[in-house]
Amino acid sequence: NAGVTQTPKFRVLKTGQSMTLLCAQDMNHEYMYWYRQDPGMGLRLIHYSVGEGTTAKGEVPDGYNVSRLKKQNFLLGLESAAPSQTSVYFCASSWGQAVGTQYFGPGTRLLVL
Amino acid sequence: GNSVTQMEGPVTLSEEAFLTINCTYTATGYPSLFWYVQYPGEGLQLLLKATKADDKGSNKGFEATYRKETTSFHLEKGSVQVSDSAVYFCVADPKRGGSNYKLTFGKGTLLTVNP
Repeated sequence: NAGVTQTPKFRVLKTGQSMTLLCAQDMNHEYMYWYRQDPGMGLRLIHYSVGEGTTAKGEVPDGYNVSRLKKQNFLLGLESAAPSQTSVYFCASSWGQAVGTQYFGPGTRLLVL
Repeated sequence: GNSVTQMEGPVTLSEEAFLTINCTYTATGYPSLFWYVQYPGEGLQLLLKATKADDKGSNKGFEATYRKETTSFHLEKGSVQVSDSAVYFCVADPKRGGSNYKLTFGKGTLLTVNP
């Protein structure tokens, strides 16, 4: 099993450009999450999904959109990137009855100039 | 609201030294508690967990006991190795069910172990 995979691993964007980060999991987990990690801030939840076709806002959703068209995939979109979105983005997944036990991807490092 | 406070780093130790990373939480009720580890360049991995008071989680020589009286979940290891160098996160799951799926993360503690 590959677990949780993320593409791309690294990306540089100019302010105003758009991009989509892809997360895929092969563990048949119902729940999926997108976090951002910034120095000294821990992890902050951007959006999450409790099942195919459903999404919800986390604590820092502004500037991001998500979609969960297939159970195994969770996409994070930046419509108009800003320097404040420079960060490392992590995707995670879990069983519905074990939210605290999350499986994380390797991360995507995004630099917005 | 819920919060997790963990020892600020960085922590630098010599190989075979004893490790303690303090973690305390503030929550309504009794959350499940976790320690996650992040090795350089990787995502977080679950290290150990405890779901109720007095539970002890253990894995890879690390231990942590859920202390309800002191609302703490300190991480310990008797003899660290260079390969333990990583960032350690204390995490609380409020277990409220319903629509609350948000974990509460500590800010992380960087551990460096020198040979």
